[in-house]
Amino acid sequence: EAGVAQSPRYKIIEKRQSVAFWCNPISGHATLYWYQQILGQGPKLLIQFQNNGVVDDSQLPKDRFSAERLKGVDSTLKIQPAKLEDSAVYLCASSRRPGQASYGYTFGSGTRLTVV
Amino acid sequence: SQQGEEDPQALSIQEGENATMNCSYKTSINNLQWYRQNSGRGLVHLILIRSNEREKHSGRLRVTLDTSKKSSSLLITASRAADTASYFCATLGMKTSYDKVIFGPGTSLSVIP
Repeated sequence: EAGVAQSPRYKIIEKRQSVAFWCNPISGHATLYWYQQILGQGPKLLIQFQNNGVVDDSQLPKDRFSAERLKGVDSTLKIQPAKLEDSAVYLCASSRRPGQASYGYTFGSGTRLTVV
Repeated sequence: SQQGEEDPQALSIQEGENATMNCSYKTSINNLQWYRQNSGRGLVHLILIRSNEREKHSGRLRVTLDTSKKSSSLLITASRAADTASYFCATLGMKTSYDKVIFGPGTSLSVIP
């Protein structure tokens, strides 16, 4: 099966600019996750979707970050305006259903964001 | 705060040796998973062990889980240069309405040819 697709692969922006990341999960995977991974740290969950509904966004900085998952398939994550501390790799992952996370997540290759 | 904490933070071994990484966590879990991340790439799921299991094998990987000590270990036998990567443990919580997997900070493994 095709993997989780993410784009762009790299992005460099100036602080206060806006940026958007795109994710296409594995076909049939109802649950989609966005993680932020700062260099040298483990991934931190930003938001979790079940189909097109938000299940957990407790760690999403809602004043500047937003995410949507239209039609329960593709998802976009936006940052507006960006800060220097947003420099990180943004990872998208998917799994079949909450219970199916027992089989592990499938991650995309990530988008590396550099804010200058 | 993060659920899992890996130990050591960094590990350097010679090719052919075994590598052991440990993970400790704080609250009850449904399962514990190990992932590998090569530099600049996404995470790859290696192995999952459920809370009612004590040991699991997959190829050169051996994972143990001690729920009484809230700890797990990942053993990579006969290491290869290609095993050089960061390794993360991740724990799945006990909520029945939805799952939430939390990652530790990782162990950086270097295998010297």
